[in-house]
Amino acid sequence: KQEVTQIPAALSVPEGENLVLNCSFTDSAIYNLQWFRQDPGKGLTSLLLIQSSQREQTSGRLNASLDKSSGRSTLYIAASQPGDSATYLCAVRRQGANSKLTFGKGITLSVRP
Amino acid sequence: EAGVTQSPTHLIKTRGQQATLRCSPISGHTSVYWYQQALGLGLQFLLWYDEGEERNRGNFPPRFSGRQFPNYSSELNVNALELEDSALYLCASSLFGGSSYNEQFFGPGTRLTVL
Repeated sequence: KQEVTQIPAALSVPEGENLVLNCSFTDSAIYNLQWFRQDPGKGLTSLLLIQSSQREQTSGRLNASLDKSSGRSTLYIAASQPGDSATYLCAVRRQGANSKLTFGKGITLSVRP
Repeated sequence: EAGVTQSPTHLIKTRGQQATLRCSPISGHTSVYWYQQALGLGLQFLLWYDEGEERNRGNFPPRFSGRQFPNYSSELNVNALELEDSALYLCASSLFGGSSYNEQFFGPGTRLTVL
């Protein structure tokens, strides 16, 4: 059974800091890994998707890496801003036909002005 | 291009009633997924539909059911509502879900409150 862990559950940083959010998963037989952002009470916004054959993806100030063999992914946020405050979730899609995503519980980020 | 839409935004029901939630996928997407986000439990997979067929089901009782229409929109029905069904229900869509390269895009969710 795939399990996804995100630690810590919450993080508070001052504006401008570069930060790394971690995600670990137990089963390395995955198709891909997605990072999402969720604002309070809202749906999910897809930030980055990394296929299992890729090592990293970049979008603006965000960079996500994937080490499938060790079951780890990191989301790097450069020069954090108060608008980055949200919950960040990672999700993996196991190989096979079932297509579901297995989510971590998320990291709630607060960026202080 | 319009994203995934869900209705209603909020739904309040009493225990024992039935709830119906609706989802319209992104144009061109044939797969629709339903997830439940209950407080403290994280996001849990409920159902996957593609081309009108139920393809996969999460660990939920049979009173959670749904369907997908010919235009690929979908309904989630929850019968005999219980207090613990209170949650944010999220719908996602993708190109054919059986492909290894699909990316799921999520709607804004329906907040279901059971009193």
